Order: sequence, then C-alpha cells, then structure tokens
Amino acid sequence: AQSVSQHNHHVILSEAASLELGCNYSYGGTVNLFWYVQYPGQHLQLLLKYFSGDPLVKGIKGFEAEFIKSKFSFNLRKPSVQWSDTAEYFCAVSGYGGATNKLIFGTGTLLAVQP
Amino acid sequence: DTGVSQDPRHKITKRGQNVTFRCDPISEHNRLYWYRQTLGQGPEFLTYFQNEAQLEKSRLLSDRFSAERPKGSFSTLEIQRTEQGDSAMYLCASSLVGTGNQAFFGQGTRLTVV
Repeated sequence: AQSVSQHNHHVILSEAASLELGCNYSYGGTVNLFWYVQYPGQHLQLLLKYFSGDPLVKGIKGFEAEFIKSKFSFNLRKPSVQWSDTAEYFCAVSGYGGATNKLIFGTGTLLAVQP
Repeated sequence: DTGVSQDPRHKITKRGQNVTFRCDPISEHNRLYWYRQTLGQGPEFLTYFQNEAQLEKSRLLSDRFSAERPKGSFSTLEIQRTEQGDSAMYLCASSLVGTGNQAFFGQGTRLTVV
C-alpha cells in the first residue's frame, strides 16, 4: 500500500536550534517527493520538491531535504530555526511519470519554535 | 489573487442536509483535486479531474459524495444527506500536467455538521 510516515507529531525547539523532521514512504515505483508547510491560518504551501537528479534539494526559507532511496526517506532539515517557522509540516509522495497523479500525505508534524 | 479559491470558507449544516462547495483553480491548470483533512491528520485524497474528466476516485468517496468539473474550469463537490462524520476541512488543489503533480492548494472549506 502507498503510504507516508512522519515520525514526529510534535516538535518544540528554541530559536537557532537545528531541525530535522523524518519522513519515510512506501510506494512501488519511482516517486516525486514534496514537503508542504501550513502556517497558522494559512493554506498549504510548497516548501520544496524532489523529482530527480541531486538528492539534496533546497527549498524556500533555508529549508533543505535529502532523498535517500535505499531508506525510502526524505527528511527535512534546517540548520537554524526561527520563531516564524512555527507551522505544521507535511511530507507527501506522488508517482513519477504519470503512474498516479495524486499526492499521498503523511499525518504532519507540528513544529513550535520558542523565542 | 490568482491562487486557488474556495467558497464558502465555512459551512455549518444540520445532519441530513445537502451541501455544495465550489473550487476555482489557477486558471491555466488542467488538473483539479479534492482532499479532506481532519484534525491531526494529513490531507486525504478524494478525487481528481483532468480537464472535465474525473480520472480517479478514492474509496473514501461514498455514494453520498459527488464531484463535477463541467467545463474543465471550476469544480463543485456535493455531499448529500450529511453525517457528523463528514465534518472536516475540504481542500481543493490544482496543478498543471507535466509539472510532477506539484499541487497548489486553496484555503479550504470547513464543514461542521451538527
């Protein structure tokens, strides 16, 4: 079955701390991978994406993620978080090349950054 | 604003009533998706359209749910005989074919069934 697991449901960090959010997926085939972010009261926005090529992808606001095919993982990282990063983060997977055109989401990680 | 827009933003209805939501995608996007999100969960796929054709429906989409995209532009999602379990945020998203299913989301319609 196709699924996405996000291991951390709630994360609390102080400003300037480093962040790593785990994401593992189960999918039979080549994948496109995404991280979306939802700031309080706002809609889901794309943070970064991986389609192919360099497995280390950089997104907006200093976020990056690494695709490790052997581990079926796509972890999100940021070296130094800010209070404004407080949000819910969702990992998502889709089939590559039209195998399926829907996004399958994880349950999300709620990040609270304390000033 | 040229993003995905949804109407209404909030809907409170009595159990057993029918409700209809509207989604206007980004104008040049040919794919349109409906998702449902409940508290503590990620968005769950319901259905999607490519132009006016409904190409996939989730098993979550019971017979009480129907979606249309008659001219390949806006879409409607109707829920008949609403139940309390239908209370959720209904999200619409759109994407362009050939962009790897990178979807842009609307603000959602929050449905409360009382």
